Parts: sequence; C-alpha cells; structure tokens
Amino acid sequence: DAGVTQSPTHLIKTRGQQVTLRCSPKSGHDTVSWYQQALGQGPQFIFQYYEEEERQRGNFPDRFSGHQFPNYSSELNVNALLLGDSALYLCASSWAGLAKNIQYFGAGTRLSVL
Amino acid sequence: DQQVKQNSPSLSVQEGRISILNCDYTNSMFDYFLWYKKYPAEGPTFLISISSIKDKNEDGRFTVFLNKSAKHLSLHIVPSQPGDSAVYFCAASAIKGTGTASKLTFGTGTRLQVTL
Repeated sequence: DAGVTQSPTHLIKTRGQQVTLRCSPKSGHDTVSWYQQALGQGPQFIFQYYEEEERQRGNFPDRFSGHQFPNYSSELNVNALLLGDSALYLCASSWAGLAKNIQYFGAGTRLSVL
Repeated sequence: DQQVKQNSPSLSVQEGRISILNCDYTNSMFDYFLWYKKYPAEGPTFLISISSIKDKNEDGRFTVFLNKSAKHLSLHIVPSQPGDSAVYFCAASAIKGTGTASKLTFGTGTRLQVTL
C-alpha cells in the first residue's frame, strides 16, 4: 500500500519563475492538504482540497494556487517566486469520512529559489 | 501569533530513561491534538493523538497527556531508545466533523536526542 508520494524531490528555480509540485494521496484517501515548512519552523497550512475544490486556505497570497484531480491527486502552483518561498513543501492526505483528523504526510519537495 | 508552542528546541535523554516533550496552545477551539515525529529527509510521521474529551492516551511506549485547563499537553516516551532521536512536532486542530479534515496548526518542534 503506497503512502503519500510527492514529486519532484528537489527543485531549484529563480526569482519570478513559476513552479508546480505534485502529490498522490495514500490509497483510500480523498482529501489533500498542503503545508510549507521553512527552516527551523513547523509546517504551516497553505490550503486543502476535497472533491476537487479548495475547502480551506491558510494565510498565503494568491500566488499560491492548487488543483485536485478526479483521482484525488493534487498540484500546488506557485507563481512569481520570491526568495522567501524557499522551503520544504509537504503534502498530507486524509479521509473526509473520519472525524478524527489524522493526516499522513509525504516526504516533501525541497524548493530552492535563487 | 503562535497558537501552538513548543518552548524547548532540544532535549537530550539517556537510553532507557523517560523523555518528556511539552506543548502549549492558546486557541480554545482546538479539540484534537497530535504528535508527529520527523526524521531528516522524511515527512512527518504520525505518532499518537488525543481528543479533548480524554486526558490520557497510550500506545506502547508512547503516552500523551492533556490538561485542558492549562492548555498543555505532553508526550512521554518510556523507555527512550536511540531510534527515537528525531524532531517531534505537536499539532492541533478543531474538528469540523465529517466532510473535510480540519487544518493542522503545528508547533516549531523539539529535537530529541537519545544517547547511549
């Protein structure tokens, strides 16, 4: 049973560019959440997708957008990259039918903006 | 505004002893709490959770205690093993019921080192 998978593992971009990160949820899960983890900090919630719609959003600008596909996989897009966007981006999946919210994380994509 | 705080950035414990990791929260709406463990180059791994209707939950060597009046929770690891060396994150959420999962608010983590 595959867990949460993310691609790519590492990515280097320059300021102003755009990036797309991908996530496949754990088998049986239908909800995908994205988090940003800066160095020395805990993960911060970006947004969550369920039934192909953005359901919740954290305190991130509109440069951060996403999408969920019918197979529950998801993409995170970041436009007009800033140096401060350098971080580990984590995808987490869960099942909406379970009230107790255990989210399972992928290994993350390390984004470096130069 | 840090709603979940882990005030100890690091902790060193001898193998076989008890490790106690602490977490404080400020948001009264939080009613479900989780601990995650993170090794380098891996994503956070779920360890144990507790609902606000309980004050203790055990799973093997791991026990989480919740003190709602103090808005404080702690993770006890007994006995500590070298493989427990990792960064531990406390996370909190406000359960919304079925339909969508609630977002997690994380602390900044505590690095636990278990020495021989």
